[in-house]
Amino acid sequence: AQTVTQSQPEMSVQEAETVTLSCTYDTSESNYYLFWYKQPPSRQMILVIRQEAYKQQNATENRFSVNFQKAAKSFSLKISDSQLGDTAMYFCAFMKLMEYGNKLVFGAGTILRVKS
Amino acid sequence: AAGVIQSPRHLIKEKRETATLKCYPIPRHDTVYWYQQGPGQDPQFLISFYEKMQSDKGSIPDRFSAQQFSDYHSELNMSSLELGDSALYFCASSRAGSTGYTFGSGTRLTVV
Repeated sequence: AQTVTQSQPEMSVQEAETVTLSCTYDTSESNYYLFWYKQPPSRQMILVIRQEAYKQQNATENRFSVNFQKAAKSFSLKISDSQLGDTAMYFCAFMKLMEYGNKLVFGAGTILRVKS
Repeated sequence: AAGVIQSPRHLIKEKRETATLKCYPIPRHDTVYWYQQGPGQDPQFLISFYEKMQSDKGSIPDRFSAQQFSDYHSELNMSSLELGDSALYFCASSRAGSTGYTFGSGTRLTVV
């Protein structure tokens, strides 16, 4: 079974600064995807960024980028130029690719607070 | 663009009652997933359906059942409700084999 660990229950960052959220995972699979989801106070689950395990290049989406270290099974999220709207719970998630039904396994989450 | 629609948004039930949650996937999405997120917890996978057949099962209590209908919408039926069933229930949809998930806004169930 796959497990996802987020070791930082809470993080704070000043507006406009950079913050990195950590995530490690454990799997024996070779073909999988990793995700970061954002859950603001509205509780909506919003996809932030996605990484394919077979791609060495780190994914980037505007101010969000990841550091994917496959051998170390590490998948951290870097948020640059933090904005107040980035305040949310962030979940790291693992997806094993199957023919039907790709379920997500989530970490416990990191609460990020952006301060003005 | 059309999103995943869940109804109702909020539901309050008493212990031992029954609840039915509905999920309408994005058009042409043939796979539906259900997740349960307790207070302060991460979402936990309950069950998924592909083409009206159960494709995977997670930590879903025996008191819960679900199905996917011919129009691809899905319903999660919860019986003999317990206080511990109070949670946010998410539905998500995708095309088979795709990693492109879309979550609904969730149904907040409160059992009193």
